[in-house]
Amino acid sequence: GAGVSQSPSNKVTEKGKDVELRCDPISGHTALYWYRQSLGQGLEFLIYFQGNSAPDKSGLPSDRFSAERTGGSVSTLTIQRTQQEDSAVYLCASSLGGGSLDEQFFGPGTRLTVL
Amino acid sequence: AQSVTQPDIHITVSEGASLELRCNYSYGATPYLFWYVQSPGQGLQLLLKYFSGDTLVQGIKGFEAEFKRSQSSFNLRKPSVHWSDAAEYFCAVGAEYSTLTFGKGTMLLVSP
Repeated sequence: GAGVSQSPSNKVTEKGKDVELRCDPISGHTALYWYRQSLGQGLEFLIYFQGNSAPDKSGLPSDRFSAERTGGSVSTLTIQRTQQEDSAVYLCASSLGGGSLDEQFFGPGTRLTVL
Repeated sequence: AQSVTQPDIHITVSEGASLELRCNYSYGATPYLFWYVQSPGQGLQLLLKYFSGDTLVQGIKGFEAEFKRSQSSFNLRKPSVHWSDAAEYFCAVGAEYSTLTFGKGTMLLVSP
């Protein structure tokens, strides 16, 4: 398919474990975004990539959260020492360019449950 | 800092009735405004956007929204709601070189 894909679709982990969430953006999209969607909280911006660099990582909630993007394509969001409050749906989006002018296309998300 | 307020957490509308979802924003300059829809089990889909020009914008699925600068609002409307419109709706604000800030969403329930 030509859309944004994310894996896994669901992840259940134990408190204290590390998890990696993957995002495959639409081919040719230079901008990539990670959001967190918690119940009743809407979409919380986490980090933005332009190519492989992250000009805006202001939304990462703690140093347990990190992300990287390689080859201007696939991105991985890593959460270390997971806590129960990390339970949420993690959404990835990509767009042709950065900023708000270009439409962001969203993936289906990864539902993370921390027990 | 930019912010978006969607005052209604849930709204129930009868099928065939008109719909208006409220969105108020706070932004220092001229904002770019968006409405997204998230159907159950689906990713977010862009309904419509406003950058400049005509303050009444048309979107997909029969939706429209009106930008009112004096009220800092960008309310979403549809004249006749269908059961398939039941979903969560998100308003968002951004600018040319900024990322989007989303509201907390409004869940639309459609009653028969």
